Amino acid sequence: DVKVTQSSRYLVKRTGEKVFLECVQDMDHENMFWYRQDPGLGLRLIYFSYDVKMKEKGDIPEGYSVSREKKERFSLILESASTNQTSMYLCASSQISSGQGAQQPQHFGDGTRLSIL
Amino acid sequence: AQKITQTQPGMFVQEKEAVTLDCTYDTSDPSYGLFWYKQPSSGEMIFLIYQGSYDQQNATEGRYSLNFQKARKSANLVISASQLGDSAMYFCAMRGLNTGGFKTIFGAGTRLFVKA
Repeated sequence: DVKVTQSSRYLVKRTGEKVFLECVQDMDHENMFWYRQDPGLGLRLIYFSYDVKMKEKGDIPEGYSVSREKKERFSLILESASTNQTSMYLCASSQISSGQGAQQPQHFGDGTRLSIL
Repeated sequence: AQKITQTQPGMFVQEKEAVTLDCTYDTSDPSYGLFWYKQPSSGEMIFLIYQGSYDQQNATEGRYSLNFQKARKSANLVISASQLGDSAMYFCAMRGLNTGGFKTIFGAGTRLFVKA
């Protein structure tokens, strides 16, 4: 069965800390995504990656960076955490986006509720 | 620009009744896909149903069906015979299959409450 695993369900950090959110998928998917979810705003794309060591900015990349050293792992990094980054973070993966792959849904992890104090 | 609009922040439905969750979209891409996801209070996003813009028939998956009206740019989710376990957030999403590339955009979501 398809599985996307996020390292933490809940995380509390302090302002200014460097924060790492880890995501691992076991489906050999090419694409991986990081979203943040806030009430009334739905899911907003932070970064995505379509291959190892490749990354593209999403709609709200400011204050974040990502790393994809291996195909199965996609890390989100908050360089210097701020209180406005308190949110629910969701990782997702999907097959290639062309041809039949474009019809495939994204598979999501359980999410990480991050609080920055 | 692509956009998804879900105008119902919250909905109530009686158990065993049908409910329709609204979704309208805007895109300049001639070929696109529409998705619905369910998010229970536990947080995980669960894929429910997919509709391609060139599909001739409305998609159905068990108790879920998609009322796709291309001219109106709407893709409403219909849940038949609601169950208590259907209480959750529901998100409509879209991916442009030509110009959208890797990006899927999501609506703000509708929270559904099923009453016993």
